Amino acid sequence: QKEVEQDPGPLSVPEGAIVSLNCTYSNSAFQYFMWYRQYSRKGPELLMYTYSSGNKEDGRFTAQVDKSSKYISLFIRDSQPSDSATYLCAMYSNYQLIWGAGTKLIIKP
Amino acid sequence: NAGVTQTPKFQVLKTGQSMTLQCAQDMNHNSMYWYRQDPSMGLRLIYYSASEGTTDKGEVPNGYNVSRLNKREFSLRLESAAPSQTSVYFCASSEAVGGRQPQHFGDGTRLSIL
Repeated sequence: QKEVEQDPGPLSVPEGAIVSLNCTYSNSAFQYFMWYRQYSRKGPELLMYTYSSGNKEDGRFTAQVDKSSKYISLFIRDSQPSDSATYLCAMYSNYQLIWGAGTKLIIKP
Repeated sequence: NAGVTQTPKFQVLKTGQSMTLQCAQDMNHNSMYWYRQDPSMGLRLIYYSASEGTTDKGEVPNGYNVSRLNKREFSLRLESAAPSQTSVYFCASSEAVGGRQPQHFGDGTRLSIL
């Protein structure tokens, strides 16, 4: 079993919809939680970073962490075709980031 | 405004050949990393360098060597390429190792081993 599980998708939604992307993890020692966005043939870029349980909002993006359930989410409001990408969750443990495999998101105009 | 630069962008090798992937960052970061990305496996850490002069193994170091040439540059070498090393390789950098430090990535080297 992987330490971080993420549904690979693809997840296809119409433009303007609210998108929910999720990761589960098994190691309760994980402390820092990140979401990266990766466009095709590009490197990942940091979208959101959270430390504690609860919500963090940045524009159309909200990151949510539930440490008791070992579950993190990324919500995208008013989704745009430019949001079409692969979204990777990552968690920090022992000087390493442990990554989910990524969810491919497609926003249909 | 280059950030992290990787060369080459694409490479095809035959089994047994060697090559070096180059990475340079211009953000004055102390720490640098090499990852490989494979379908359904996600990003896996090969080696990292916490600071100039130090290197450490990551999750999948076998078959690779690294050199931290100076603060800016971190290279990855495949001594005898194998088909299992076909992958996309990413270099990243951060101010320091640690969960508080976001990693900045290059655009990758796509490597095929025939």
